[in-house]
Amino acid sequence: QQPVQSPQAVILREGEDAVINCSSSKALYSVHWYRQKHGEAPIFLMILLKGGEQKGHDKISASFNEKKQQSSLYLTASQLSYSGTYFCGTEKLENEKLTFGTGTRLTIIP
Amino acid sequence: DTGVSQNPRHKITKRGQNVTFRCDPISEHNRLYWYRQTLGQGPEFLTYFQNEAQLEKSRLLSDRFSAERPKGSFSTLEIQRTEQGDSAMYLCASSLKGPGNTIYFGEGSWLTVV
Repeated sequence: QQPVQSPQAVILREGEDAVINCSSSKALYSVHWYRQKHGEAPIFLMILLKGGEQKGHDKISASFNEKKQQSSLYLTASQLSYSGTYFCGTEKLENEKLTFGTGTRLTIIP
Repeated sequence: DTGVSQNPRHKITKRGQNVTFRCDPISEHNRLYWYRQTLGQGPEFLTYFQNEAQLEKSRLLSDRFSAERPKGSFSTLEIQRTEQGDSAMYLCASSLKGPGNTIYFGEGSWLTVV
Protein backbone atom coordinates (compact mmCIF):
# COMPACT_ATOMS: atom_id res chain seq x y z
CA GLN A 1 0.00 0.00 0.00
CA GLN A 2 1.29 3.43 -0.99
CA PRO A 3 2.39 5.69 1.87
CA VAL A 4 0.65 9.05 2.11
CA GLN A 5 2.63 12.26 2.18
CA SER A 6 1.55 15.65 3.47
CA PRO A 7 1.40 18.39 2.53
CA GLN A 8 0.98 17.78 -1.21
CA ALA A 9 2.65 21.07 -1.99
CA VAL A 10 4.30 23.92 -0.13
CA ILE A 11 5.75 27.27 -1.12
CA LEU A 12 8.41 28.84 1.08
CA ARG A 13 10.59 31.90 1.01
CA GLU A 14 14.32 31.28 1.11
CA GLY A 15 15.42 30.79 4.71
CA GLU A 16 12.13 29.38 5.99
CA ASP A 17 11.70 25.89 7.43
CA ALA A 18 9.54 23.04 6.18
CA VAL A 19 8.32 19.68 7.45
CA ILE A 20 7.17 16.89 5.14
CA ASN A 21 5.35 13.89 6.57
CA CYS A 22 5.06 10.32 5.35
CA SER A 23 2.52 7.91 6.85
CA SER A 24 1.92 4.25 6.27
CA SER A 25 -0.96 2.00 7.23
CA LYS A 26 1.44 -0.94 7.58
CA ALA A 27 4.36 -1.59 9.89
CA LEU A 28 7.61 -0.42 8.37
CA TYR A 29 11.17 -1.68 8.40
CA SER A 30 12.72 1.42 6.87
CA VAL A 31 11.99 4.76 5.26
CA HIS A 32 14.06 6.26 2.44
CA TRP A 33 13.82 9.91 1.38
CA TYR A 34 14.50 11.21 -2.13
CA ARG A 35 14.32 14.56 -3.90
CA GLN A 36 13.48 14.78 -7.58
CA LYS A 37 13.76 17.78 -9.86
CA HIS A 38 11.59 17.99 -12.94
CA GLY A 39 12.71 15.58 -15.65
CA GLU A 40 15.52 14.14 -13.55
CA ALA A 41 16.09 10.97 -11.54
CA PRO A 42 15.25 10.83 -7.82
CA ILE A 43 18.31 11.67 -5.73
CA PHE A 44 18.85 9.83 -2.46
CA LEU A 45 18.78 11.93 0.72
CA MET A 46 18.77 9.49 3.64
CA ILE A 47 17.57 6.18 5.08
CA LEU A 48 16.04 5.63 8.50
CA LEU A 49 16.14 2.07 9.73
CA LYS A 50 15.06 1.96 13.32
CA GLY A 51 12.03 3.26 15.12
CA GLY A 52 12.75 6.64 16.62
CA GLU A 53 15.93 7.02 14.63
CA GLN A 54 16.81 10.51 13.61
CA LYS A 55 19.34 11.32 10.94
CA GLY A 56 20.55 14.47 9.32
CA HIS A 57 23.17 16.18 7.29
CA ASP A 58 23.61 19.85 6.60
CA LYS A 59 20.20 21.42 7.13
CA ILE A 60 18.10 18.42 6.17
CA SER A 61 17.16 15.87 8.81
CA ALA A 62 14.52 13.22 9.34
CA SER A 63 12.89 11.14 12.03
CA PHE A 64 11.15 7.79 12.00
CA ASN A 65 8.47 6.89 14.53
CA GLU A 66 8.02 3.14 14.22
CA LYS A 67 4.98 2.98 16.49
CA LYS A 68 3.13 5.62 14.53
CA GLN A 69 4.40 4.18 11.24
CA GLN A 70 5.43 7.58 10.05
CA SER A 71 8.47 9.60 9.15
CA SER A 72 9.08 13.33 8.88
CA LEU A 73 11.64 15.21 6.82
CA TYR A 74 12.82 18.55 8.19
CA LEU A 75 14.33 21.23 5.96
CA THR A 76 15.88 24.09 7.89
CA ALA A 77 16.72 27.52 6.50
CA SER A 78 15.67 26.41 3.03
CA GLN A 79 17.78 27.27 0.01
CA LEU A 80 16.70 27.71 -3.60
CA SER A 81 18.37 24.39 -4.41
CA TYR A 82 15.93 22.57 -2.13
CA SER A 83 13.12 23.07 -4.65
CA GLY A 84 11.76 19.86 -6.12
CA THR A 85 9.42 17.02 -5.30
CA TYR A 86 10.22 14.96 -2.21
CA PHE A 87 9.28 11.31 -2.04
CA CYS A 88 9.41 8.87 0.81
CA GLY A 89 9.97 5.23 -0.06
CA THR A 90 8.97 2.63 2.49
CA GLU A 91 10.14 -0.92 3.01
CA LYS A 92 7.79 -3.21 4.92
CA LEU A 93 10.23 -6.05 5.29
CA GLU A 94 13.99 -6.18 5.30
CA ASN A 95 15.41 -6.50 1.78
CA GLU A 96 12.13 -5.80 0.08
CA LYS A 97 11.47 -3.28 -2.67
CA LEU A 98 10.53 0.34 -1.94
CA THR A 99 6.99 1.61 -2.27
CA PHE A 100 6.97 5.33 -2.94
CA GLY A 101 4.64 7.93 -1.51
CA THR A 102 2.46 10.42 -3.30
CA GLY A 103 5.12 13.15 -3.25
CA THR A 104 5.39 16.67 -1.83
CA ARG A 105 6.20 19.49 -4.22
CA LEU A 106 8.41 22.11 -2.57
CA THR A 107 8.92 25.52 -4.18
CA ILE A 108 11.42 27.95 -2.69
CA ILE A 109 11.15 31.57 -3.78
CA PRO A 110 13.81 34.24 -3.25
CA ASP B 1 30.49 7.84 -14.80
CA THR B 2 29.90 4.90 -12.49
CA GLY B 3 26.21 5.46 -11.80
CA VAL B 4 23.17 3.61 -13.13
CA SER B 5 23.00 4.03 -16.88
CA GLN B 6 19.84 3.79 -18.98
CA ASN B 7 19.26 3.95 -22.69
CA PRO B 8 17.72 5.16 -24.77
CA ARG B 9 16.94 8.27 -22.77
CA HIS B 10 13.99 9.14 -24.99
CA LYS B 11 11.88 7.00 -27.27
CA ILE B 12 8.89 7.97 -29.39
CA THR B 13 7.03 5.05 -30.87
CA LYS B 14 3.81 4.37 -32.68
CA ARG B 15 1.05 2.50 -30.91
CA GLY B 16 1.41 -1.21 -31.45
CA GLN B 17 5.19 -1.20 -31.82
CA ASN B 18 7.57 -2.97 -29.43
CA VAL B 19 10.19 -1.08 -27.44
CA THR B 20 13.13 -2.22 -25.34
CA PHE B 21 14.99 -0.31 -22.67
CA ARG B 22 18.36 -1.22 -21.26
CA CYS B 23 19.74 -0.62 -17.78
CA ASP B 24 23.34 -0.99 -16.66
CA PRO B 25 23.47 -0.94 -12.85
CA ILE B 26 26.37 0.12 -10.66
CA SER B 27 28.88 -2.66 -11.21
CA GLU B 28 28.96 -4.38 -7.82
CA HIS B 29 25.21 -4.08 -7.18
CA ASN B 30 23.30 -7.37 -7.11
CA ARG B 31 19.82 -5.85 -6.86
CA LEU B 32 18.19 -4.19 -9.86
CA TYR B 33 14.75 -2.54 -9.89
CA TRP B 34 12.41 -1.19 -12.55
CA TYR B 35 9.89 1.53 -11.73
CA ARG B 36 7.49 3.53 -13.87
CA GLN B 37 6.67 7.18 -13.24
CA THR B 38 4.03 9.42 -14.77
CA LEU B 39 3.81 13.20 -14.36
CA GLY B 40 2.96 14.25 -10.84
CA GLN B 41 3.15 10.73 -9.41
CA GLY B 42 5.70 8.84 -7.38
CA PRO B 43 7.71 6.00 -8.91
CA GLU B 44 5.55 2.88 -9.24
CA PHE B 45 7.20 -0.50 -8.71
CA LEU B 46 7.29 -2.87 -11.69
CA THR B 47 9.77 -5.62 -10.92
CA TYR B 48 13.11 -6.40 -9.33
CA PHE B 49 15.99 -8.85 -9.62
CA GLN B 50 18.57 -10.24 -7.32
CA ASN B 51 21.42 -11.26 -9.58
CA GLU B 52 19.66 -12.98 -12.48
CA ALA B 53 16.60 -14.09 -10.49
CA GLN B 54 13.41 -12.06 -10.88
CA LEU B 55 12.10 -11.88 -7.32
CA GLU B 56 8.83 -10.03 -7.75
CA LYS B 57 6.60 -8.62 -10.46
CA SER B 58 3.91 -6.03 -9.84
CA ARG B 59 0.33 -6.84 -10.75
CA LEU B 60 0.58 -3.68 -12.86
CA LEU B 61 2.97 -5.49 -15.16
CA SER B 62 0.72 -6.91 -17.85
CA ASP B 63 1.76 -9.77 -20.10
CA ARG B 64 2.94 -7.17 -22.64
CA PHE B 65 5.82 -6.31 -20.30
CA SER B 66 8.83 -8.53 -19.78
CA ALA B 67 12.10 -7.91 -18.01
CA GLU B 68 15.29 -9.92 -18.00
CA ARG B 69 18.67 -9.83 -16.36
CA PRO B 70 20.35 -12.75 -18.09
CA LYS B 71 23.81 -12.67 -16.52
CA GLY B 72 23.03 -10.77 -13.39
CA SER B 73 24.51 -7.58 -14.80
CA PHE B 74 22.54 -5.40 -17.23
CA SER B 75 18.77 -5.69 -17.57
CA THR B 76 16.26 -5.10 -20.35
CA LEU B 77 12.62 -4.11 -20.12
CA GLU B 78 10.56 -4.86 -23.19
CA ILE B 79 7.07 -3.57 -23.86
CA GLN B 80 5.20 -5.31 -26.65
CA ARG B 81 2.29 -3.83 -28.61
CA THR B 82 2.65 -0.46 -26.92
CA GLU B 83 -0.44 1.52 -25.93
CA GLN B 84 -0.78 5.24 -25.25
CA GLY B 85 -1.18 4.46 -21.55
CA ASP B 86 2.37 3.12 -21.54
CA SER B 87 3.72 6.64 -22.01
CA ALA B 88 5.80 7.33 -18.91
CA MET B 89 9.33 7.54 -17.59
CA TYR B 90 10.84 4.13 -16.91
CA LEU B 91 13.33 4.26 -14.08
CA CYS B 92 15.96 1.68 -13.31
CA ALA B 93 17.67 1.52 -9.92
CA SER B 94 20.26 -0.68 -8.28
CA SER B 95 21.55 -1.49 -4.82
CA LEU B 96 23.45 -4.02 -2.80
CA LYS B 97 21.33 -6.60 -0.99
CA GLY B 98 21.06 -5.90 2.70
CA PRO B 99 19.43 -3.58 5.18
CA GLY B 100 20.27 0.08 5.02
CA ASN B 101 21.63 -0.02 1.50
CA THR B 102 20.93 2.95 -0.72
CA ILE B 103 18.95 2.42 -3.89
CA TYR B 104 20.45 4.54 -6.68
CA PHE B 105 18.34 5.59 -9.64
CA GLY B 106 19.32 6.09 -13.25
CA GLU B 107 18.29 9.12 -15.30
CA GLY B 108 15.27 7.27 -16.69
CA SER B 109 14.00 6.44 -20.16
CA TRP B 110 11.13 8.56 -21.40
CA LEU B 111 8.60 6.72 -23.54
CA THR B 112 6.02 8.52 -25.66
CA VAL B 113 3.51 6.38 -27.54
CA VAL B 114 1.74 8.23 -30.34
